[in-house]
Amino acid sequence: GDSVTQMEGPVTLSEEAFLTINCTYTATGYPSLFWYVQYPGEGLQLLLKATKADDKGSNKGFEATYRKETTSFHLEKGSVQVSDSAVYFCALSAGGTSYGKLTFGQGTILTVHP
Amino acid sequence: NAGVTQTPKFRILKIGQSMTLQCAQDMNHNYMYWYRQDPGMGLKLIYYSVGAGITDKGEVPNGYNVSRSTTEDFPLRLELAAPSQTSVYFCASTAVGDTQYFGPGTRLTVL
Repeated sequence: GDSVTQMEGPVTLSEEAFLTINCTYTATGYPSLFWYVQYPGEGLQLLLKATKADDKGSNKGFEATYRKETTSFHLEKGSVQVSDSAVYFCALSAGGTSYGKLTFGQGTILTVHP
Repeated sequence: NAGVTQTPKFRILKIGQSMTLQCAQDMNHNYMYWYRQDPGMGLKLIYYSVGAGITDKGEVPNGYNVSRSTTEDFPLRLELAAPSQTSVYFCASTAVGDTQYFGPGTRLTVL
């Protein structure tokens, strides 16, 4: 079945540091890929998405590129802020008759210190 | 436009009790989902619905039931609560082929 694997956390960075959170996936066909963010005490919010190979999703300084050849969708940000502290989830939707169901990675906790 | 709303925010149940988690959306989305989030884990799909009157099991349906009598509402029923059902529950909705929108969650503890 479909699966998503994220890098182990937690990740602790200083403000203005470079961030990479690795995400790889296993899926049949051509899934859509997502990064969701969960701030403390809140539900999940879509951060960015990509629907086909070589697409780059971007939002709020975060970027991720859909790499079919390496089945990856790594999240990057050039300069993190304290306000980026949250849990980040990589997810996929298989499309077709999957009815929009999402398969999630286990989440990566990011803490940014001033 | 309230988006996806969930009630209650918190609940403590005793083993064997039952309860219904409420979920409503005002975006006229056909697809709705229930997930559970356990500590250090990603979200697991419990049940989903593709429209009023149509529901199906997800990855972890045991111990839960759902119904979908209207487009707006998708309640999740827990019968005979067990400690293993201690979790945070999220409801989500989407239009066809679009982004899923999540509610704020219900934190449930079974003692």
